[in-house]
Amino acid sequence: QVHLQESGPGLVKPSQTLSLTCTVSGGSITSGSYYWTWIRQPAGKGLEWIGRIFPSGSTNYNPSLKGRVTISVDTSKNQFSLKLSSVTAADTAVYYCARVGKLRAFDIWGQGTMVTVSS
Amino acid sequence: QSVLTQPPSVSGAPGQRVTISCTGSSSNIGAGYDVHWYQQLPGTAPKLLIYADNNRPSGVPDRFSGSKSATSVSLAITGLQAEDEADYYCQSYDISLSGWVFGGGTKLTVL
Repeated sequence: QVHLQESGPGLVKPSQTLSLTCTVSGGSITSGSYYWTWIRQPAGKGLEWIGRIFPSGSTNYNPSLKGRVTISVDTSKNQFSLKLSSVTAADTAVYYCARVGKLRAFDIWGQGTMVTVSS
Repeated sequence: QSVLTQPPSVSGAPGQRVTISCTGSSSNIGAGYDVHWYQQLPGTAPKLLIYADNNRPSGVPDRFSGSKSATSVSLAITGLQAEDEADYYCQSYDISLSGWVFGGGTKLTVL
């Protein structure tokens, strides 16, 4: 059973870079034709797709994040990571990592990690 | 403003049937892209409920079903139970945005 776990600082200062890592356990990040993605959810609001990466390193990002996003993969550690630069209070949210599997849906989710942007 | 439109809330009594609509456009649902539904119980991560319009992953009760027309889809829940009280999200792909999009979510209250 594949399991995803987010990790990273819970507090980031405005204008700095938010960095999170998702560790994949119970399976290899390179096995199968899977996309590995990041999604966020501000408190009391809906879900927003941030971006995705294929194990080859190919990426796609939500245009609304205007070039502030970078997603990378470390296959040796079975991890993928999110960097979001120039953060503001609007980036305060629960950040989830998730897998897009053979069902072409977000079939496995991490538990989520709360990130607050505040000085 | 979400790309996919859902009603903010629906409610029903135990045992009743409710439906949640999800309306898109010609760049997502109308373009034929699959629609998926997620259930988010309070304080937890979303869980895949329906995939590819009307398919249930293993373990999802058959009380949950999906349907699709030209540019809208619906999630139906029959035999409502208290444990169904949650937020429900539809999701698809949008060709004009070249990415995945979600509905704004619908809060289901079991009366």
